[in-house]
Amino acid sequence: KQEVTQIPAALSVPEGENLVLNCSFTDSAIYNLQWFRQDPGKGLTSLLLIQSSQREQTSGRLNASLDKSSGRSTLYIAASQPGDSATYLCAVYNQGGKLIFGQGTELSVKP
Amino acid sequence: DAMVIQNPRYQVTQFGKPVTLSCSQTLNHNVMYWYQQKSSQAPKLLFHYYDKDFNNEADTPDNFQSRRPNTSFCFLDIRSPGLGDAAMYLCATSREATGAYNEQFFGPGTRLTVL
Repeated sequence: KQEVTQIPAALSVPEGENLVLNCSFTDSAIYNLQWFRQDPGKGLTSLLLIQSSQREQTSGRLNASLDKSSGRSTLYIAASQPGDSATYLCAVYNQGGKLIFGQGTELSVKP
Repeated sequence: DAMVIQNPRYQVTQFGKPVTLSCSQTLNHNVMYWYQQKSSQAPKLLFHYYDKDFNNEADTPDNFQSRRPNTSFCFLDIRSPGLGDAAMYLCATSREATGAYNEQFFGPGTRLTVL
């Protein structure tokens, strides 16, 4: 059974810092991996989708990497801003097509 | 813009009073999903439709049902809401259930409060 773990569960950093959020999964036979952002009380906003054949994706200040063999993904946020404060969810698409979520990392960026 | 729409965004119901949440899509996707997300937890898949074929997750309570009258719309019915059903309900769509086109696109969610 696929399990997705995100570390840390919560993170507080001062504005301007570069930071890394970690995601690990137990079954490397995934199809794609996706990072989402969720603001309090809101729905999911897709940030980056990495296909299984890719190693990374970039969008603005965000860079996500994928290492299937080790079962790991990281989300790198450069020059963090208070507006980046949110919960970040990692999710993997298993071979059966289901999307399996981690519990999320709650990020707080202090001005 | 093609999108996934959920109505209402906030729904308040009374304990035991049936409630229906709505999801519509303009993406013309084959698959529509319903997730339940309780506070500080990961979203949990309740069921999905591939076209008209309904697929229920094994641990989804009988209290939850769904209807998909056409490609664009999908409804979540909670027959007798309990306090434990208070949550964010997320609708998502994908072109296919598996393979290269299974990326899921999420709506903004409906927050359900049960009094």
